[in-house]
Amino acid sequence: AQSVTQLGSHVSVSEGALVLLRCNYSSSVPPYLFWYVQYPNQGLQLLLKYTSAATLVKGINGFEAEFKKSETSFHLTKPSAHMSDAAEYFCAVSSSSGSARQLTFGSGTQLTVLP
Amino acid sequence: DSGVTQTPKHLITATGQRVTLRCSPRSGDLSVYWYQQSLDQGLQFLIQYYNGEERAKGNILERFSAQQFPDLHSELNLSSLELGDSALYFCASTGGVSIGTDTQYFGPGTRLTVL
Repeated sequence: AQSVTQLGSHVSVSEGALVLLRCNYSSSVPPYLFWYVQYPNQGLQLLLKYTSAATLVKGINGFEAEFKKSETSFHLTKPSAHMSDAAEYFCAVSSSSGSARQLTFGSGTQLTVLP
Repeated sequence: DSGVTQTPKHLITATGQRVTLRCSPRSGDLSVYWYQQSLDQGLQFLIQYYNGEERAKGNILERFSAQQFPDLHSELNLSSLELGDSALYFCASTGGVSIGTDTQYFGPGTRLTVL
């Protein structure tokens, strides 16, 4: 079985400040990890994914995430928040094994960017 | 624009009724996934079709069914609707059958309201 826990359902940062969204996973097999973003009234869009190559993954819009096996974490960061980053962010896990190929999503983190 | 289209955008119906949600995948994609997003359950995988055949099942109720047609569009049928079925329903598509690393491209969703 696999699962994802996103710590903090709501995160607020000031424009220009560091963005840190936390994600911890549980998986009995080597995981693949994803961050998706959902803007209001839109579907989900992939930000970045980890598929067992480099542990530091760079994505779109200046976001990056680091896979830390020892901490079972895949936190999302961005050095300087922009107003346009306000959205809901979802961490997801899958693997190459059977039914676990399907994405399992976390509960999401709503990011607010304050002027 | 992900290239995945969903119709209708909004649907309002009454308890006990039946509705059909439609999804057209990105051009060339063979796999279609259906998800339900609700406030209490979060984003949950329902079912996957690959090239017309059911490939994987998640938390899909027996009152719900889906199919994928020869032109690769998919329909999700929801019957005997209950208030708790009110949610946002997304479909996503990928090119292949799924090896766990695929990027899923999401449509804009259908918002179902059951009164």
